[in-house]
Amino acid sequence: AQRVTQPEKLLSVFKGAPVELKCNYSYSGSPELFWYVQYSRQRLQLLLRHISRESIKGFTADLNKGETSFHLKKPFAQEEDSAMYYCALSSGYSTLTFGKGTMLLVSP
Amino acid sequence: DGGITQSPKYLFRKEGQNVTLSCEQNLNHDAMYWYRQDPGQGLRLIYYSQIVNDFQKGDIAEGYSVSREKKESFPLTVTSAQKNPTAFYLCASSRASLGDTQYFGPGTRLTVL
Repeated sequence: AQRVTQPEKLLSVFKGAPVELKCNYSYSGSPELFWYVQYSRQRLQLLLRHISRESIKGFTADLNKGETSFHLKKPFAQEEDSAMYYCALSSGYSTLTFGKGTMLLVSP
Repeated sequence: DGGITQSPKYLFRKEGQNVTLSCEQNLNHDAMYWYRQDPGQGLRLIYYSQIVNDFQKGDIAEGYSVSREKKESFPLTVTSAQKNPTAFYLCASSRASLGDTQYFGPGTRLTVL
């Protein structure tokens, strides 16, 4: 069975500090991994997916198959990054499995 | 925004009543989904549909029903059999592949009085 674990419910950092939101997954095949973000009063939207290898709003995420992780990183956090972040996994032939989410709070 | 809409934004229901949540998309997507979002629970899949007139149960389908009579519409009915229906409900759509990027609606908050 597919499973996604986001160990932190809340991550609080100061503006300008580095950010790492952790995501670990359980899946025996080749997964497709995503990060979705929900800003206050906005709809849930895709932030990035590992196959596109893009950097969106300064965020990057590298798939580490050995550690079964897909941590989201940003070198310098901004206040506008405050949001709920969800990691999600798909086998490509299945629906998405979401983690429980991590709330990121960036303080001035 | 746009592309996928949900109505109403807020919905109140008395215990024992069925209620239907609307979801419409104009993205020409084949696949549509319903999720329930509870604090600390993340998103849990209720039902999904890959094609018109076909749908499958997700992880928490009990007490819910859906229909897919048109490609652009995927309404969700919360029945009186759902034990804890108060929640935030999200609809999403994607192109044909189940592993494709999903686009979400703004959500409907259902409160049972």
